Amino acid sequence: AQSVTQLGSHVSVSEGALVLLRCNYSSSVPPYLFWYVQYPNQGLQLLLKYTSAATLVKGINGFEAEFKKSETSFHLTKPSAHMSDAAEYFCAVSDWTGNQFYFGTGTSLTVIP
Amino acid sequence: DGGITQSPKYLFRKEGQNVTLSCEQNLNHDAMYWYRQDPGQGLRLIYYSQIVNDFQKGDIAEGYSVSREKKESFPLTVTSAQKNPTAFYLCASSLQMTGMAKNIQYFGAGTRLSVL
Repeated sequence: AQSVTQLGSHVSVSEGALVLLRCNYSSSVPPYLFWYVQYPNQGLQLLLKYTSAATLVKGINGFEAEFKKSETSFHLTKPSAHMSDAAEYFCAVSDWTGNQFYFGTGTSLTVIP
Repeated sequence: DGGITQSPKYLFRKEGQNVTLSCEQNLNHDAMYWYRQDPGQGLRLIYYSQIVNDFQKGDIAEGYSVSREKKESFPLTVTSAQKNPTAFYLCASSLQMTGMAKNIQYFGAGTRLSVL
């Protein structure tokens, strides 16, 4: 079965600092990987997805993630945090059938002015 | 605009009562999903459906029921057997094209259920 681990349930960064949110997956075959963002009392919005086309994936709002098969990681980064980036971030994985998604437990990002 | 509509946004349940959460999508997606979200636990799959008139249990189906009579609708009933229903419920949908890169899940805005 697929699984996703997000290290750090809470991350705080200063405005303008680098954002790094960690995600490791377990999969015996190359998966599809996703990052979603959730603002309070809202649904999840897709930030970016990895589907084997390129290991460095660029998403919306200046976020990007790098797929590293040797480390089974898909960490999310943004060079400079903005106050509007404060939200909950979820990493997710699906197998090649795409029939089910498996979500991490989420990382709450706080941006300090 | 295409999307997923969940209603109501807030719902209160009395003890022993069944309540139904609505989920409608106009994206022409084949598959629909219900998740439960609790603080610190991420999303847990309750039920999913890949085609009309068919659905499968997820990881935490006990105390819940669903139906899929129409492609665009996937209502979730929280029954009185669910002893701890207070949570944020999210509905999602996706295309079902095995092996393709279009299997992205799109989410509704959620329903927050509380017990009176």
